[in-house]
Amino acid sequence: GIQVEQSPPDLILQEGANSTLRCNFSDSVNNLQWFHQNPWGQLINLFYIPSGTKQNGRLSATTVATERYSLLYISSSQTTDSGVYFCAVEGRNQFYFGTGTSLTVIP
Amino acid sequence: EAQVTQNPRYLITVTGKKLTVTCSQNMNHEYMSWYRQDPGLGLRQIYYSMNVEVTDKGDVPEGYKVSRKEKRNFPLILESPSPNQTSLYFCASSYIYNSPLHFGNGTRLTVT
Repeated sequence: GIQVEQSPPDLILQEGANSTLRCNFSDSVNNLQWFHQNPWGQLINLFYIPSGTKQNGRLSATTVATERYSLLYISSSQTTDSGVYFCAVEGRNQFYFGTGTSLTVIP
Repeated sequence: EAQVTQNPRYLITVTGKKLTVTCSQNMNHEYMSWYRQDPGLGLRQIYYSMNVEVTDKGDVPEGYKVSRKEKRNFPLILESPSPNQTSLYFCASSYIYNSPLHFGNGTRLTVT
């Protein structure tokens, strides 16, 4: 299967700070998605981003498929951004997830 | 409201007692899939279905069965659960495999 590596594994931020999360993958993929798992365990789709850049409020994402990585930017972080961020890639109809970045935003 | 519904949310059972976790979506999605989440391992795909009557194995299919008799439903069946199947399980669906995934709220299963 496709290997997916996320970094950093853990991140602690002061409220208002910016951060960049990275996702590297080992093979060509058809699509890439970013998810946020909130403290209650719900998985929310943030971005469907096989290539290029997208923005949604304080969050933006960039995928460079030819170099096999994606970045998730969080600006002006808020306590509600806390949780685990996963990237997932799809290859041959299957999805492969990274082990996530655990983000804690402190007031 | 568009959603993926899993039941039950919590389940405690004993080794060997057959169980079914249900998953239903109301978005007319073709692609449905099951995952298990374990600490330090992220989510791993168990089975997926491209459409009605079409199912295939993911990365960790051993000990699980699925069926897709209707487009909206994709139950996960554990014929003889074992303690190593204690995990948090998620069902997800998407319009087609190459489109945004929508997840259910999860089922926490404990097998004693």
